[in-house]
Amino acid sequence: GNSVTQMEGPVTLSEEAFLTINCTYTATGYPSLFWYVQYPGEGLQLLLKATKADDKGSNKGFEATYRKETTSFHLEKGSVQVSDSAVYFCALSGARKAAGNKLTFGGGTRVLVKP
Amino acid sequence: GAGVSQSPSNKVTEKGKDVELRCDPISGHTALYWYRQRLGQGLEFLIYFQGNSAPDKSGLPSDRFSAERTGESVSTLTIQRTQQEDSAVYLCASSFSGTSLNEQFFGPGTRLTVL
Repeated sequence: GNSVTQMEGPVTLSEEAFLTINCTYTATGYPSLFWYVQYPGEGLQLLLKATKADDKGSNKGFEATYRKETTSFHLEKGSVQVSDSAVYFCALSGARKAAGNKLTFGGGTRVLVKP
Repeated sequence: GAGVSQSPSNKVTEKGKDVELRCDPISGHTALYWYRQRLGQGLEFLIYFQGNSAPDKSGLPSDRFSAERTGESVSTLTIQRTQQEDSAVYLCASSFSGTSLNEQFFGPGTRLTVL
């Protein structure tokens, strides 16, 4: 079946540091890949997505590139801010022609950015 | 409403009791999903609705779990004879349709605690 593995946290960084959160996946076919973010006290929201190999998703200074050869979708940001403190989830969907778009999530990575 | 809403936000119940969790999706969204997040874990898919039918129930963990959707709108997730391992945050999401190009919007969740 489908699975997503992402690095465990917590990840603690200083402001303006470089952030990488590794994510690898297992799926048959050609899944779509997502990063979701959950800020403290808020609901889960989509951060970025990529729907085919070599696509780069980007939003709010974050980027992730769909690498089919390494089955990876690592999240990066060049200079984090305190406001980036959150839990980040890597997810995939649509790997098979199953009904719907159910998401398979990784375990989440908590990021804490200190001033 | 502007987003997906869920009620109650918190539910504490005794082992063996039945509970009902409610989800109000974004108006016009035909696809609706239920997930759960147990402490320290990623989100697990439970069930997917397209309109009022549920073509994918593969994530329901046992026959104590059931869900329905009426009027292509509100959905209720029912857990009968609750057990302590049912304690989790139950999240509902909706999307315009059930394809991978449509973002899923998540509600704030219902935190269920089974004593």
